[in-house]
Amino acid sequence: KAGVTQTPRYLIKTRGQQVTLSCSPISGHRSVSWYQQTPGQGLQFLFEYFSETQRNKGNFPGRFSGRQFSNSRSEMNVSTLELGDSALYLCASSLSRGPGANVLTFGAGSRLTVL
Amino acid sequence: KNQVEQSPQSLIILEGKNCTLQCNYTVSPFSNLRWYKQDTGRGPVSLTIMTFSENTKSNGRYTATLDADTKQSSLHITASQLSDSASYICVVSLAGAGSYQLTFGKGTKLSVIP
Repeated sequence: KAGVTQTPRYLIKTRGQQVTLSCSPISGHRSVSWYQQTPGQGLQFLFEYFSETQRNKGNFPGRFSGRQFSNSRSEMNVSTLELGDSALYLCASSLSRGPGANVLTFGAGSRLTVL
Repeated sequence: KNQVEQSPQSLIILEGKNCTLQCNYTVSPFSNLRWYKQDTGRGPVSLTIMTFSENTKSNGRYTATLDADTKQSSLHITASQLSDSASYICVVSLAGAGSYQLTFGKGTKLSVIP
């Protein structure tokens, strides 16, 4: 059974650019949630998608957005990159809605560096 | 404010020794508490999930305890191995509508040395 796949694993961007990260959940999992991890703040919830709809959103600016496709694959986009957006971006999938109520399986993450 | 505090921030132990990591939380109302292990450069992997009514749960050499009255949890690692070197993250879930709110601790970085 394949795990959660995130691409790309590593990327470098410059300030002002935008980036799109992809997450393929475990087959059969319908919920995908995204997290930002930095040394200073630790893990922080970005948003959750279930049935192609954003269900909940964390305390992040509108530059952070996402979407989910009919096959449950999800993408997140960060526009107008800032230096502070450098982080490990993790996605997690679960069978049903609500990361707090379900077992989460995390991907390996996408390491974004903004120069 | 809902918070999760972990201690110590970092810990170095000799291979074969036991250790205990601590997690204190103020999240209320509480749904469940999870411990994750995160190897460097990898995503977190679930070790245990405990609900309000559970006060201990084991996963191999890992044993988590929960005291919901004092809002404290601990993760005990027995007979440590080099592969236990990782960050251990305590995560508390807020009960309520949507069940989406997770509050993360900043983790304890464990180094097991030969």
